Parts: sequence; C-alpha cells; structure tokens
Amino acid sequence: NAGVTQTPKFQVLKTGQSMTLQCAQDMNHEYMSWYRQDPGMGLRLIHYSVGAGITDQGEVPNGYNVSRSTTEDFPLRLLSAAPSQTSVYFCASSYRSGRVGEQFFGPGTRLTVL
Amino acid sequence: AQRVTQPEKLLSVFKGAPVELKCNYSYSGSPELFWYVQYSRQRLQLLLRHISRESIKGFTADLNKGETSFHLKKPFAQEEDSAMYYCALFNFNKFYFGSGTKLNVKP
Repeated sequence: NAGVTQTPKFQVLKTGQSMTLQCAQDMNHEYMSWYRQDPGMGLRLIHYSVGAGITDQGEVPNGYNVSRSTTEDFPLRLLSAAPSQTSVYFCASSYRSGRVGEQFFGPGTRLTVL
Repeated sequence: AQRVTQPEKLLSVFKGAPVELKCNYSYSGSPELFWYVQYSRQRLQLLLRHISRESIKGFTADLNKGETSFHLKKPFAQEEDSAMYYCALFNFNKFYFGSGTKLNVKP
C-alpha cells in the first residue's frame, strides 16, 4: 500500500494563479481531510469529507474548494492564489467516519505564493 | 468554540529526565483527544488517544475533565523522543490541533 500520497511536493505560484493539490489514498478510508500548517499555528482544518460525494468546511475554508468523486481521491483547489495561502498543506485519511480513528497523513505540499 | 492550547513552544530536557507536554482544551462535552507526533523528516503520525488508555513508547496521557487537560508524560526521556508533538481534539467530524510543542532531548 502506498498510503496517502500528495502531489506536488513543492509549488511556487504567482498571485491570482489557480492550481490543484492532489491527494490520494489506497486504504479505502471514508474520511479524508486537508490541513494547512503555518509557523506557530499548528494544523488548521480546511475541508473534510466523510465519503464520496460528501464534503464540508473546516476552520479555514475561504479560498479553497474540494470535491470527492471517488473514495480514493480528494483534490484541493486554489481558485485564485494569494500570498496568505503560502503554507504547507497536508492531506490525511482515516478508516471510519462516525468515530474517526487514527489519521494517516501524506508527506505534505509546500506552497509559495508570490 | 473548540480550542486546543499547548502553552510551550519548546521543551528541552536531558536524557533520562521526566517530561510533561501540556495540553489544555476548551470544549463542553465528552471530547475525543489525541496526541500526534512528527519526527524529523517523517510524516505526522498518531502517538496515542485517550479512549485507548494505552502507553506508547513509554508515553501516557490522562484526560482530566475537571482541569480540561490532556498532558502527555514520560518518566524517562530518550534522545529519540525529540520531535514535534501536537495535541488534537475531535468533535463532529472535525479535528482541532494545538500549535505544537517541540521536544528536544539532550544527551
């Protein structure tokens, strides 16, 4: 099993550009989530999904969109990148949604917006 | 609103010394609490959860509802314990993480 994979590892964008961060898991996990990690602030939840076709907002959803068309994939879209979105982004998945257990994290994507 | 507070950004101890990483939370109800750890150049991973009442790598954490705390403890720190530690609370499908404490165990 590859676990949770994220692409790309690094990305530099210009203000106003759009891009999609990819996340995939091969563990048949129902629950998937996206976080951003900023210095001194820990991880903050952006969006999450409890199954295919179901997504909801986390703490900091503004500027980000998600979709969950399959169990395996949970892409995060930045529609118009802003410097405030410079951060490290982590995707995670968990094996059940009703009572979420252990979250498995991806390696992260380091995004810089100029 | 749920909030998780880790008051120490950095904690330095000598090998063999006891260590306690503090975590306080604000939540009215029965929270699910976790400790996650990120070792250098590794992914964030679960260390332990309060419902399991387990000891992992010598670490334990007790939920104190009166003090709304979930401190992580280890009686004798090892150099390999050096890492970033995050306390997390789970409620209604959302995780809330603290800002993290960097533990540095000196030889």
